[in-house]
Amino acid sequence: GEEVAQTPKHLVRGEGQKAKLYCAPIKGHSYVFWYQQVLKNEFKFLISFQNENVFDETGMPKERFSAKCLPNSPCSLEIQATKLEDSAVYFCASSQGKGVEEKLFFGSGTQLSVL
Amino acid sequence: GENVGLHLPTLSVQEGDNSIINCAYSNSASDYFIWYKQESGKGPQFIIDIRSNMDKRQGQRVTVLLNKTVKHLSLQIAATQPGDSAVYFCAETYTGRRALTFGSGTRLQVQP
Repeated sequence: GEEVAQTPKHLVRGEGQKAKLYCAPIKGHSYVFWYQQVLKNEFKFLISFQNENVFDETGMPKERFSAKCLPNSPCSLEIQATKLEDSAVYFCASSQGKGVEEKLFFGSGTQLSVL
Repeated sequence: GENVGLHLPTLSVQEGDNSIINCAYSNSASDYFIWYKQESGKGPQFIIDIRSNMDKRQGQRVTVLLNKTVKHLSLQIAATQPGDSAVYFCAETYTGRRALTFGSGTRLQVQP
């Protein structure tokens, strides 16, 4: 596709439930990034992939968070046993190459509300 | 309603005026900087970028200035239009690290 597609747009979970978010990068883009935006302000980098391989996971919380990018499937970000502080908008972005000046194209995000 | 950036600094300008949005960055190793525009309900959208070997770069109606000495970045928007109303973020990174570190946003409100 011509844009990064994220689903669902909104996700509501009770504390302790699992949440799974999906991202289809732009066709032909090899790099996928996940960012968390809290309170519509601070962005935090979580993880990036080069095709199906983890490229950088330095921002990923060690517990409860996992992510995958499998061939011929949307990428996914999963949060086990969600907590109130996981409430945020989760953005996926993709780029064609890994060069630092390769433009990132962001999706419209998934709003996760943990109650 | 929207719970938007409770502590977000806001710049309010009249349509047609020039706007200047500032950003301080912290990592002296950063060598690539980007300005993003984020409209309500959307992801960040690329506006303009600059490499650390430059101190100024111009685009269409936008100019980015970089002062490495004081680790300061600014975005100038000429003849601001209502469509420029959004939250603006600076972001930094360095060669070898693809992930971006975002600064705090600034809300730009353009009064018609």
